[in-house]
Amino acid sequence: TQLLEQSPQFLSIQEGENLTVYCNSSSVFSSLQWYRQEPGEGPVLLVTVVTGGEVKKLKRLTFQFGDARKDSSLHITAAQPGDTGLYLCAGASNDYKLSFGAGTTVTVRA
Amino acid sequence: GAGVSQSPSNKVTEKGKDVELRCDPISGHTALYWYRQSLGQGLEFLIYFQGNSAPDKSGLPSDRFSAERTGGSVSTLTIQRTQQEDSAVYLCASSSSTGRPPSSEKLFFGSGTQLSVL
Repeated sequence: TQLLEQSPQFLSIQEGENLTVYCNSSSVFSSLQWYRQEPGEGPVLLVTVVTGGEVKKLKRLTFQFGDARKDSSLHITAAQPGDTGLYLCAGASNDYKLSFGAGTTVTVRA
Repeated sequence: GAGVSQSPSNKVTEKGKDVELRCDPISGHTALYWYRQSLGQGLEFLIYFQGNSAPDKSGLPSDRFSAERTGGSVSTLTIQRTQQEDSAVYLCASSSSTGRPPSSEKLFFGSGTQLSVL
């Protein structure tokens, strides 16, 4: 059983469309991170959110941390083929390991 | 080096054989993690090192798995008597964390070792 549930598992959209990926848990996290992973590579950190209700923007990507610090969302505006990849959320508790979701595979068609 | 380096990038082995996977973290990073990624699954935590010590080995799946770190740098993950269910991508990550809980630390991942057990 995943501590963090991500949805949808797969998402295929046309270039220029918007998309949202969700990360949900019944646990409270001290912070939550989003990573993007491309085939044959390790995950690369996109953002860390720490405060409940926090919203962070990274160009066309908007990240939100739920008020109760149990869930998060990633919204991409006007998606481009370069946004294609596996998006992973990871929650940090009061120990040394991050708990990862299973990921959402995003495909943006040109 | 500039990033986390893992070797080999691919390893094919026969069931029952032992394998060693190597991780070279970013120079100066004291924290080192091993994760396992199976198809359709999230990253599964295996072990955490702070310096040469492993305060958290709770993720190692069985006593066939072991890991060590020497000189506060290179780490080796050893899997003895490999089984088919060990097939996965093994990822190593390092960070500059000095041991506090990772509330906002940034992990730098290597490209992983794809292990296939036939």
